[in-house]
Amino acid sequence: DAGVIQSPRHEVTEMGQEVTLRCKPISGHNSLFWYRQTMMRGLELLIYFNNNVPIDDSGMPEDRFSAKMPNASFSTLKIQPSEPRDSAVYFCASSAGGKEKLFFGSGTQLSVL
Amino acid sequence: QQQVKQSPQSLIVQKGGISIINCAYENTAFDYFPWYQQFPGKGPALLIAIRPDVSEKKEGRFTISFNKSAKQFSLHIMDSQPGDSATYFCAATSNYQLIWGAGTKLIIKP
Repeated sequence: DAGVIQSPRHEVTEMGQEVTLRCKPISGHNSLFWYRQTMMRGLELLIYFNNNVPIDDSGMPEDRFSAKMPNASFSTLKIQPSEPRDSAVYFCASSAGGKEKLFFGSGTQLSVL
Repeated sequence: QQQVKQSPQSLIVQKGGISIINCAYENTAFDYFPWYQQFPGKGPALLIAIRPDVSEKKEGRFTISFNKSAKQFSLHIMDSQPGDSATYFCAATSNYQLIWGAGTKLIIKP
């Protein structure tokens, strides 16, 4: 298995632009998580999907952030409009059952100028 | 009460030595305590995990010690190797939401 696949690996954009991050979870996993990692705040859970349904989006910072999971093999995290404070590494992780053994992708390094 | 406090922030150990990283929690409802290892440019990867019904779990050179009464758990890396140089995160949870420690940057000197 190729593991959790995220794209792009790096994204540099200007303030105000729309950014879309993509994630392909491991086949057969029913839980998907989007995390954000910064030096200041560490790892923050943004949103959790179970069986493609958003269960907890309380970590989404504001309405500029949205996430979708149209099917079991694909999820997106969209930021519109982007701001410099959104600069961070965004990780997607999947698991076969909730909290047990999360598999993380390699992340998307987002820089908003 | 939801915090997990991790120490030290950084650690330098000689090759062959023992690396010890500590975490403390407050929420007695937590029932799953994993440790994740993260290399630069990569996502965290599960290293080892423990549940509160056991006091110790060992996998190769990695051991978790768990003290339920003190609400503390620690990661011990025996015979530390340069390849163990990474950032280590402890976490705790009672549901899907992992509560993460701040991380420990471990450097193993050859």
